[in-house]
Amino acid sequence: KAGVTQTPRYLIKTRGQQVTLSCSPISGHRSVSWYQQTPGQGLQFLFEYFSETQRNKGNFPGRFSGRQFSNSRSEMNVSTLELGDSALYLCASGGDQQFNEQFFGPGTRLTVL
Amino acid sequence: AQSVAQPEDQVKVAEGNPLTVKCTYSVSGNPYLFWYVQYPNRGLQFLLKYITGDNLVKGSYGFEAEFNKSQTSFHLKKPSALVSDSALYFCAVRPYGGATNKLIFGTGTLLAVQP
Repeated sequence: KAGVTQTPRYLIKTRGQQVTLSCSPISGHRSVSWYQQTPGQGLQFLFEYFSETQRNKGNFPGRFSGRQFSNSRSEMNVSTLELGDSALYLCASGGDQQFNEQFFGPGTRLTVL
Repeated sequence: AQSVAQPEDQVKVAEGNPLTVKCTYSVSGNPYLFWYVQYPNRGLQFLLKYITGDNLVKGSYGFEAEFNKSQTSFHLKKPSALVSDSALYFCAVRPYGGATNKLIFGTGTLLAVQP
């Protein structure tokens, strides 16, 4: 089975721009979650999508948004980028049962200048 | 508030010695518990999980973890460390119940295995 893929792997943007990150989950997984990883804040949950519906959201400003398509692929968007948005953004996919582990992609490294 | 604590930012052990990476949690109800490992410039890799049953859980690469309900702990262990085990280790919890796969992570412990 192919793993979770994320594109692009690296991005450099300037303040005020917007960015879209993409995630393709493991085949058959309907749950996709997004996390932000920074040295200062660690791993923070952004949001989770299940069958095209957002079913949980972390404590991030509205500039962070996402969506999921019918094939379970997901995108997250960050508008009006700030320097503090520089981070590794990780996507994870998981099975339908709550006891299933999540499988993570390699991440997208976003640098905001 | 639900939280996970990894009290040690860094753990150093000599190759061949046993290792322990500590994790305690604070959640209401019974949680699902997970350990992940992260190598430089990589995503998180699943090691093992506790769902229910036997308190000693075995996982990938010779790792195991012991669930202790009374101490709300889930320490990661390995009998004999390898240099290649050097990486960043995260403990995570998912509260039981509720329609979500959200994981709450600890701050991570950097494991350094010295030759």
